[in-house]
Amino acid sequence: AQKITQTQPGMFVQEKEAVTLDCTYDTSDQSYGLFWYKQPSSGEMIFLIYQGSYDEQNATEGRYSLNFQKARKSANLVISASQLGDSAMYFCAMRYDTNAGKSTFGDGTTLTVKP
Amino acid sequence: DVKVTQSSRYLVKRTGEKVFLECVQDMDHENMFWYRQDPGLGLRLIYFSYDVKMKEKGDIPEGYSVSREKKERFSLILESASTNQTSMYLCATSWDGNQPQHFGDGTRLSIL
Repeated sequence: AQKITQTQPGMFVQEKEAVTLDCTYDTSDQSYGLFWYKQPSSGEMIFLIYQGSYDEQNATEGRYSLNFQKARKSANLVISASQLGDSAMYFCAMRYDTNAGKSTFGDGTTLTVKP
Repeated sequence: DVKVTQSSRYLVKRTGEKVFLECVQDMDHENMFWYRQDPGLGLRLIYFSYDVKMKEKGDIPEGYSVSREKKERFSLILESASTNQTSMYLCATSWDGNQPQHFGDGTRLSIL
């Protein structure tokens, strides 16, 4: 069965510093996708970044990058130059159904950016 | 831009009532999903649909049913609401498995 583990229930970071949010996954599939979403206190889920299992380069989107280590089954999110608006809950998810895009989500990490 | 609209942000119902949560999308996506979100448990898939009138159970379908009569609308039904169904419910859509899911704003449902 597919499983996502986020071991950090809460994290703090100083404004303008970088922070890494951990995500490990478990699957026996060869083809899968990894997603990170942000959920501010207002509740909406915002897509941040995607990494395919066959992608050789780590994904980057602006201040977000994904540190993908396939052999270790980890897909950590790195946020550079943290901003106060980055305070939110962050979810790692793994797509395990190529056709319909069914995904399993981790329990989330709450990030607080301190001024 | 992608738009997923859930009919209510907040809803209060009584035990035993039949509850309908509606979700409408304007992107012509084939796939639609219903999740519930509880503290410390992440998002858990209740049901999903990959086409009109097609549905499959997710991880926690007990006590729920769904309806998809039109491509743009996916309804979650609580047949006889119970207090353990108090939760945040999120609807999502996706074009295919390689695209991210697009979420509605969520419905915070309280069953008294």
